[in-house]
Amino acid sequence: GAGVSQSPSNKVTEKGKDVELRCDPISGHTALYWYRQSLGQGLEFLIYFQGNSAPDKSGLPSDRFSAERTGGSVSTLTIQRTQQEDSAVYLCASSLTSSGGQTQYFGPGTRLLVL
Amino acid sequence: QKEVEQDPGPLSVPEGAIVSLNCTYSNSAFQYFMWYRQYSRKGPELLMYTYSSGNKEDGRFTAQVDKSSKYISLFIRDSQPSDSATYLCAMTYTNAGKSTFGDGTTLTVKP
Repeated sequence: GAGVSQSPSNKVTEKGKDVELRCDPISGHTALYWYRQSLGQGLEFLIYFQGNSAPDKSGLPSDRFSAERTGGSVSTLTIQRTQQEDSAVYLCASSLTSSGGQTQYFGPGTRLLVL
Repeated sequence: QKEVEQDPGPLSVPEGAIVSLNCTYSNSAFQYFMWYRQYSRKGPELLMYTYSSGNKEDGRFTAQVDKSSKYISLFIRDSQPSDSATYLCAMTYTNAGKSTFGDGTTLTVKP
């Protein structure tokens, strides 16, 4: 079946502009995660959804970052007034549930470059 | 100090070598321990996961967890050039969704 898909695959934007990143999880997966990976770094947790609700938003770096999930499926991560330090690969993952031990399946990521 | 520490390498070995990758962690509440492999410009893919302490073997890969020492390892036997990638350790609490990742170790296996 289809895996996790993300769009766009690459995004170049100017400092101060808003961007929207999209994630389509695997069908039937109730849990969805957003991570950020800076060059040469591990994955930094941003937020996760169980269904449409976000029990843990603790990783969002500032109030410029927000995310929503509608219909228990597609999720959008929005970064307002982008800064150069926002440049990174944004990875989305989904799992059957959010319980520990569930395999998280990752998408290919969106590479964001803020000029 | 990071919750999960991982030597970034890079690590370069000849084909056929045994590779040892390691992570240490500070939070004793972690219960699930995972190893992911990430090829360049791709998302991570789960290689192995272990619950609590112990060993787990899958083909050429063996994962070990020592909770008393807060130390986990991944061993790759008979390494192949196709194993060249970045390997990330990750850990999760029992009932929390998010995983906490190490920074990854970049491995190159030379033919």
